[in-house]
Amino acid sequence: NAGVTQTPKFQVLKTGQSMTLQCAQDMNHEYMSWYRQDPGMGLRLIHYSVGAGITDQGEVPNGYNVSRSTTEDFPLRLLSAAPSQTSVYFCASSYLGGNYGYTFGSGTRLTVV
Amino acid sequence: GEDVEQSLFLSVREGDSSVINCTYTDSSSTYLYWYKQEPGAGLQLLTYIFSNMDMKQDQRLTVLLNKKDKHLSLRIADTQTGDSAIYFCAESGAGNNRKLIWGLGTSLAVNP
Repeated sequence: NAGVTQTPKFQVLKTGQSMTLQCAQDMNHEYMSWYRQDPGMGLRLIHYSVGAGITDQGEVPNGYNVSRSTTEDFPLRLLSAAPSQTSVYFCASSYLGGNYGYTFGSGTRLTVV
Repeated sequence: GEDVEQSLFLSVREGDSSVINCTYTDSSSTYLYWYKQEPGAGLQLLTYIFSNMDMKQDQRLTVLLNKKDKHLSLRIADTQTGDSAIYFCAESGAGNNRKLIWGLGTSLAVNP
């Protein structure tokens, strides 16, 4: 049971480059989300999805796109990387009902130079 | 708006009890959570408490909830060096959209 798998674990980008951070879960969770974690800022929600074909913005969506074509996958796209997007990115998923907490991936550490 | 606050740092001696505190503003929260993040890793769900409970115990962990004061605490008994981590408090917020409201995390240092 893999849980939530994020790839890559580390990435260095040049300013202006684009890339996709991958997130996959095998628990049939309806809810999936992307967070960024920065020192002193805690976790900030970028985008989330409550099911295939449904996405919505979190508190810091600018510069990022998402899509949810399947229940399992929720990729995060950086359109034109900027140094301000240097961060650690986490994908998290859960069931929609009940008391289920989130299951987190191990994170992607992104540096934009 | 909804907010969760935690103290940023806590230092304890190995073998002592640790108490990490959290306050929240949304009185309609259904569930409150504690997560642990070890260095270089993702967040791991430690425990949760339903809003109609006052206390929940799970081995070395005790969660206390004071709904009147909107105060949540996590007590770790017999703290070990392996407990050194960042501990996040989170609340479920209003509605059923599964968005959690997060505190900034408390960094626990356990000294031998």
